[in-house]
Amino acid sequence: QKEVEQNSGPLSVPEGAIASLNCTYSDRGSQSFFWYRQYSGKSPELIMSIYSNGDKEDGRFTAQLNKASQYVSLLIRDSQPSDSATYLCAPRGYGQNFVFGPGTRLSVLP
Amino acid sequence: GAGVSQSPSNKVTEKGKDVELRCDPISGHTALYWYRQSLGQGLEFLIYFQGNSAPDKSGLPSDRFSAERTGGSVSTLTIQRTQQEDSAVYLCASSPWTSGGWNEQFFGPGTRLTVL
Repeated sequence: QKEVEQNSGPLSVPEGAIASLNCTYSDRGSQSFFWYRQYSGKSPELIMSIYSNGDKEDGRFTAQLNKASQYVSLLIRDSQPSDSATYLCAPRGYGQNFVFGPGTRLSVLP
Repeated sequence: GAGVSQSPSNKVTEKGKDVELRCDPISGHTALYWYRQSLGQGLEFLIYFQGNSAPDKSGLPSDRFSAERTGGSVSTLTIQRTQQEDSAVYLCASSPWTSGGWNEQFFGPGTRLTVL
């Protein structure tokens, strides 16, 4: 069983819509959760982190965490073509290495 | 402040040659990671340094790969006797360390390695 699972996509949404990206993880010891965005040919950049169950909002981005279900998601409101990228989920346990999911490729259509 | 830097940005080598890739982390970051990303693929963990602790080498794909970190700062990833399947982008990331131990990583621009 893979440690971190994400739909590979591509996930296509029209401009202005809500994009919903999902991630499940197997390590119940995971304490912190990170979402990275990676544009083609570029390095990953951090866009959201979440540590507690519930929702965390930052601008157009909302991260949702449910530790009991071992599930974390990222919502992007008012999606823009510039949001088109691969989104990587990375849970982490205390003092442990990061484990990155395979990423979901998002395509926002003008 | 300065971010993570890596050099060279591109490296083309011939099969069988050794290569060294350098990473300069963000000042004060005690954790340093190396990853490999093949074209169209996800991040493959290679090795993790945390302070003075023994590195986590569990991701190194073969004994041709090694890494060191001098003085708790700069790190060098060495690939001996390169093979064509070693062609990839090699990414370095650093992370601060607090009592929580779960800070985010900051990535460098990567080194694109091509083995002919």
